[in-house]
Order: sequence, then C-alpha cells, then structure tokens
Amino acid sequence: DQQVKQNSPSLSVQEGRISILNCDYTNSMFDYFLWYKKYPAEGPTFLISISSIKDKNEDGRFTVFLNKSAKHLSLHIVPSQPGDSAVYFCAASPLGGTASKLTFGTGTRLQVTL
Amino acid sequence: NAGVTQTPKFRILKIGQSMTLQCTQDMNHNYMYWYRQDPGMGLKLIYYSVGAGITDKGEVPNGYNVSRSTTEDFPLRLELAAPSQTSVYFCASSRGYRDRGNQPQHFGDGTRLSIL
Repeated sequence: DQQVKQNSPSLSVQEGRISILNCDYTNSMFDYFLWYKKYPAEGPTFLISISSIKDKNEDGRFTVFLNKSAKHLSLHIVPSQPGDSAVYFCAASPLGGTASKLTFGTGTRLQVTL
Repeated sequence: NAGVTQTPKFRILKIGQSMTLQCTQDMNHNYMYWYRQDPGMGLKLIYYSVGAGITDKGEVPNGYNVSRSTTEDFPLRLELAAPSQTSVYFCASSRGYRDRGNQPQHFGDGTRLSIL
C-alpha cells in the first residue's frame, strides 16, 4: 500500500523554465511533508518542508505547495538549472509520535536540459 | 563537519553470512534511523532510535537488529543474510520531535549491499 505516491517517474525540463514535481498521499494522519534531492551514489539531501498548517513555503528557487483537501503537494523549481538534475523524493511524517518516521514516495528523476 | 558517516560503502555477502553496517554522526542528534532503498522504490524505514539505549521497529524490521549504546553510533546488524536483503542502506539522524519542523533528517551516503 503506497501511502505516498509520485506518479511521474521522470521529467525533462529546459534550463530556465519551471519544473513542477507532484506528490499525492493517502494517509490523513500525515502532517509534515518534505522534499529531498538525491544524486547518484549519495544520500538524500533535504530541500524544503511544509507543515500541514501552511499551504505554501518558499526558499529561494524552491516553493512547495500543499493542498490538504486533495492530499496533494507539489515542488516548483524556478528557474531550473542543470545542477537541479537529480532524483526528487517526496516524504511525509504523521502527527504525533516521538520521532519523524518518514514515508517516502518512489521518486521523480528530473533532467534539466540546456 | 562530517555529518553522518556510513561504512562500508560496498559489500558482497554470501547467503547466511552476517555483518554489521556502521553509522556514526557528529551532530549530537538524538534521533537516528536506518532505511533501505530497493531499485525503483522509495526509502523504507527499518529501525529508529530516539536516544541511547532506546530503539524501535520501523516498517520493515524483519531480518535486522540494531543497538544504540552511544549518541553517536547506530549500527545495523544482519544475522543471516538473504537475497531479499540486497539493497542500498541509508542511515540518517535528526534532532528531536519538537524541532522536526526546522531540523530534517540528514542522511549518510549509503552502503550498497549485495547478497549472493
């Protein structure tokens, strides 16, 4: 049962354009959402997060939008750069508990072309 | 600042062998985690620890054991290696629950394990 879904395995975007990566979740108990970026042979690197009390969070070129009613979040990268080419994972954490036990999506491979 | 360090980076095991994957962090984080990532899949939580002497199971704990004797170290033990445990293993650490909004998990670079 995939509680966090990234339905697009890959995405190709031209340099300078906007990249939009999507993520859907099914568990209503999730209240904290994160995006991680991963290069080959490296561990995931934290990009940006959002709490369920917000619908938008922005950090430089990266913006995450959360639509709780649709159980959907998206990551916007503007403008896209070649160095953004990586696999992006969406992750979610439930309300309560004593640790941030993350559930990850399967990832979207972003390729930014010149 | 080294962050989260995992050793070894690569290992090949025979079925039935045992080994320990090492993980250490120098950020004085209370919380530590072990994940595995299978090809084309997301990371799945194996075990986690909220402090020295305290560990708990995650989503896929079968076939693994952990211990947490110090804040810095969180080794993962495979007792009887099976082909289904072929995967990439990631260790992560973070500050406590109250800080989770500002202190996400920091990951090591992983251990690629093949069991033949």
